[in-house]
Amino acid sequence: QKEVEQDPGPLSVPEGAIVSLNCTYSNSAFQYFMWYRQYSRKGPELLMYTYSSGNKEDGRFTAQVDKSSKYISLFIRDSQPSDSATYLCAMSTLGNFNKFYFGSGTKLNVKP
Amino acid sequence: EPEVTQTPSHQVTQMGQEVILRCVPISNHLYFYWYRQILGQKVEFLVSFYNNEISEKSEIFDDQFSVERPDGSNFTLKIRSTKLEDSAMYFCASSQGDGRSYNEQFFGPGTRLTVL
Repeated sequence: QKEVEQDPGPLSVPEGAIVSLNCTYSNSAFQYFMWYRQYSRKGPELLMYTYSSGNKEDGRFTAQVDKSSKYISLFIRDSQPSDSATYLCAMSTLGNFNKFYFGSGTKLNVKP
Repeated sequence: EPEVTQTPSHQVTQMGQEVILRCVPISNHLYFYWYRQILGQKVEFLVSFYNNEISEKSEIFDDQFSVERPDGSNFTLKIRSTKLEDSAMYFCASSQGDGRSYNEQFFGPGTRLTVL
């Protein structure tokens, strides 16, 4: 099932860089878009959630949703070594918002 | 800060054996979930549970799987007769709300199940 696609990486950047993480999807019914961060041997932790289209900013993190292109992004500004983790996008529909469809995750390594 | 806990962290079992994975959701949450992640693959939804019954299940969640809330705190996933392909990380999650709108799902640290 290829409803949500995500480049697995790994993505390696120097500290302070701007990081761009992306997912594409095929199901136009998706309305809820989430970004989770997962550290090694831990469960996913919600970073940001967006409903429908647009941008949302929270500190160094910005989430963007482009429904016309079926494309979502997470930007991390001034990346830190502590941001090194796997980032998962997840989505759900309006009619079944509790059933999440995850991307495969992008492994990010921020080098000091 | 309240968190979802899972036990055991790692379970090794022989093919054909029954396993029970245990979760303690966050105390005031009403909706509970199980997901699994086979090594190198996506996190996949298995089942959601609300008001003591299954509200949604995926194609993966066949007759070999069952869930239960045996008391006021635990939420369990039982696999009746494990297969090699059941080897995965199993995540429990919980959320507030009554299911009428989106609510953040809080994930536990997972149980790694290895079937030999």
